[in-house]
Amino acid sequence: DVKVTQSSRYLVKRTGEKVFLECVQDMDHENMFWYRQDPGLGLRLIYFSYDVKMKEKGDIPEGYSVSREKKERFSLILESASTNQTSMYLCASSSGGFWGEQYFGPGTRLTVT
Amino acid sequence: DAKTTQPTSMDCAEGRAANLPCNHSTISGNEYVYWYRQIHSQGPQYIIHGLKNNETNEMASLIITEDRKSSTLILPHATLRDTAVYYCIVHNAGNMLTFGGGTRLMVKP
Repeated sequence: DVKVTQSSRYLVKRTGEKVFLECVQDMDHENMFWYRQDPGLGLRLIYFSYDVKMKEKGDIPEGYSVSREKKERFSLILESASTNQTSMYLCASSSGGFWGEQYFGPGTRLTVT
Repeated sequence: DAKTTQPTSMDCAEGRAANLPCNHSTISGNEYVYWYRQIHSQGPQYIIHGLKNNETNEMASLIITEDRKSSTLILPHATLRDTAVYYCIVHNAGNMLTFGGGTRLMVKP
């Protein structure tokens, strides 16, 4: 079974802090994704990566950056957390050219106070 | 990607088949139908996908009409653990997934 793990299930940070969310997958997938999920807005893609050190912006990249130094690990960075970044963050991975069949982690519920 | 229309919510009795409909009347020839579900407080889970033919796996069956304008996801023997939001997504390979509102399925004892 594909396993995607995220570093924390719940996280509370203060406004202005730098926040790191880590995601690790164990299936040697080329593609990794970061989404956020908010009530009434569904899942929105923040960034994705199709290879080590490669990254592409999604629909809502503002205020976020990413890092992919190793194939299995994809990090989401909030450079200066703000209250409007309070959300559920979901990481996913997929194999090769198969963007459609994605495997998701359990999510990190981030609260910025 | 084509837009989909799903009922907001549905109920199903435990042990009975759950049939979740999806309309995608503007689907184009190279777009697949994908189904995911999301159990409360968890990440979405891939269920199944298809292009033209009906598909079955250990989780569910996917029935796509001949004109491909609609599809039905079938959970043959629903259990309480199948209570979740089910998303029907029409997806063009090479594009990103777009999750809509989905159908909230409640399986009742």
